[in-house]
Amino acid sequence: GQNIDQPTEMTATEGAIVQINCTYQTSGFNGLFWYQQHAGEAPTFLSYNVLDGLEEKGRFSSFLSRSKGYSYLLLKELQMKDSASYLCAVLNAGNNRKLIWGLGTSLAVNP
Amino acid sequence: DGGITQSPKYLFRKEGQNVTLSCEQNLNHDAMYWYRQDPGQGLRLIYYSQIVNDFQKGDIAEGYSVSREKKESFPLTVTSAQKNPTAFYLCASNGGLLEQFFGPGTRLTVL
Repeated sequence: GQNIDQPTEMTATEGAIVQINCTYQTSGFNGLFWYQQHAGEAPTFLSYNVLDGLEEKGRFSSFLSRSKGYSYLLLKELQMKDSASYLCAVLNAGNNRKLIWGLGTSLAVNP
Repeated sequence: DGGITQSPKYLFRKEGQNVTLSCEQNLNHDAMYWYRQDPGQGLRLIYYSQIVNDFQKGDIAEGYSVSREKKESFPLTVTSAQKNPTAFYLCASNGGLLEQFFGPGTRLTVL
């Protein structure tokens, strides 16, 4: 079957660093996405990884290991506005660009 | 400004009534998608369309219908056959890039 696992909830402190993990088991793989979704709003694109390694984009970085079926999103210098749900999604190869979505990780940043 | 619009933001309907949710994009994207999101759940694909006049069922198509007569528009009809239609509905599109861009969503409540 196809499965994506993420922790349900995480809590962190303003100014700290937090790592959100995502593991996946899919029949094909054509890249992994991270999206941010604030409550009641639409998801917004954060990152896309298709090759192994770390991609850095400002305060946010995303890492991929295809052999381990594993990714993480790293958020540095946390701000209160980073409180949101973070969604991991895998693009299944040859599947007409359909995404397989995880349930999301709800991150609460406390002062 | 290019983007995806969904209207209305909030929609109330009586049980047994069909309702159509609007999705329009001016990004010139070929592919469009409809998702449903319930509390604590990930995004679930209802229907998607790769090109005008063509669409495919997603994972939870029962009780829904779509049309794709124009590239810009991909309306979703929630029919009375949908057993539990109250949810947050998200429309998305993508073009040459792989990431999907989302509209602001419509929150449908069936009374």
